[in-house]
Amino acid sequence: QVQLVQSGAEVKRPGSSVKVSCKASGGSFSSFTISWVRQAPGQGLEWMGGIIPIFGTAYYAQKFQGRVTITADESTTTAYMELSSLRSEDTAQYYCSRDGVDWGQGTLVSVSS
Amino acid sequence: DIQMTQSPSSLSASVGDRVTITCRASQDIRSGLGWFQQKPGKAPKRLIYAASNLQSGVPSRFSGSGSGTEFTLTISSLQPEDFATYYCLQHNTYPLTFGGGTKVEI
Repeated sequence: QVQLVQSGAEVKRPGSSVKVSCKASGGSFSSFTISWVRQAPGQGLEWMGGIIPIFGTAYYAQKFQGRVTITADESTTTAYMELSSLRSEDTAQYYCSRDGVDWGQGTLVSVSS
Repeated sequence: DIQMTQSPSSLSASVGDRVTITCRASQDIRSGLGWFQQKPGKAPKRLIYAASNLQSGVPSRFSGSGSGTEFTLTISSLQPEDFATYYCLQHNTYPLTFGGGTKVEI
């Protein structure tokens, strides 16, 4: 089982960007899909995008195209999700996941003026 | 993007009940479907992958079936710890997409 540890909670202003990290340890990282999933308060799960680090190509949900960038650094076994042009509706818990099996603890991003 | 329609959105059940949740895909996803359980304040937990394969460590009262566009999660005898929200996720085609969720309540 792989442990995924995410960076801490963030408070951001509308229009700014946030970058959340996800550090993997204890198992294989590069050949599995690392996905980013978010959950707004009281709402369902939303797949934002994912990357297979060994290939480096990221895939994004249409809703987030142009606003989200997902990257991975194989040397540090860390994945990143950057979301730009933040608005209040982006306030949510953000999770990383390895193949849907292993999950990070979640990172709360709050967007408020 | 492939749309996943999950039903019902909520249901009330009792301990020992048989519970069935359905997901319908907007196009053929073969067997590319997983089921997840989520409890309040916790990360999701995968129960089923590739439509019918039980994740290691998950009780056998959970089962999945279906292929193509129609899928079902069945809990054969609901236990107290099963009260949670359940989601399907199509993993056949990028971008992946979740269903809207089913809240299982007492």
